Amino acid sequence: NAGVTQTPKFRVLKTGQSMTLLCAQDMNHEYMYWYRQDPGMGLRLIHYSVGEGTTAKGEVPDGYNVSRLKKQNFLLGLESAAPSQTSVYFCASSYSRQDHSPLHFGNGTRLTVT
Amino acid sequence: GQQVMQIPQYQHVQEGEDFTTYCNSSTTLSNIQWYKQRPGGHPVFLIQLVKSGEVKKQKRLTFQFGEAKKNSSLHITATQTTDVGTYFCAGLNPDTGNQFYFGTGTSLTVIP
Repeated sequence: NAGVTQTPKFRVLKTGQSMTLLCAQDMNHEYMYWYRQDPGMGLRLIHYSVGEGTTAKGEVPDGYNVSRLKKQNFLLGLESAAPSQTSVYFCASSYSRQDHSPLHFGNGTRLTVT
Repeated sequence: GQQVMQIPQYQHVQEGEDFTTYCNSSTTLSNIQWYKQRPGGHPVFLIQLVKSGEVKKQKRLTFQFGEAKKNSSLHITATQTTDVGTYFCAGLNPDTGNQFYFGTGTSLTVIP
């Protein structure tokens, strides 16, 4: 099993450009999450999904949109990139919340906005 | 704002010394998880604590959940170079649905 796969691994954008980060999981997990990691800030939740066709806002959703059209995929979109969105982005998935199952993380996407 | 605080932010220890990181929440948590992130890697799940006062051990690692379920700690006995990385706690606040709030992390450096 590949687990959680994120593409791309690296990306450089200019301010105002848009892009989509793709997350795919092959573990049949219901829950999927997008986090950003910044030095000294830990991981902050951007958006999450509790199942196909559903999405919800996390701690820092502004400037991002997400979609979960298929159970195995969770897309994170940046409509108009800003330098403040320079960060490492991690996707994660979990089987469910009810049994408080652990998060499985992808390898991350390092995004730089100039 | 940040609901889960973690201290210290950095810790340098000589190999063989012990290490402890502390996690504190402003609200009561339903459970807490601990993760380890190696340099350049992604967070990897270590353990989950659910019960008040719970203590769990994994070889040289000891995890505790406070009686009030507002704090937790991770203690490593006799550190090794393989322990290098950043340790994160993540707490589930029952009032905020499905969101885990991650602590700021403690970066551990082990000097051989």
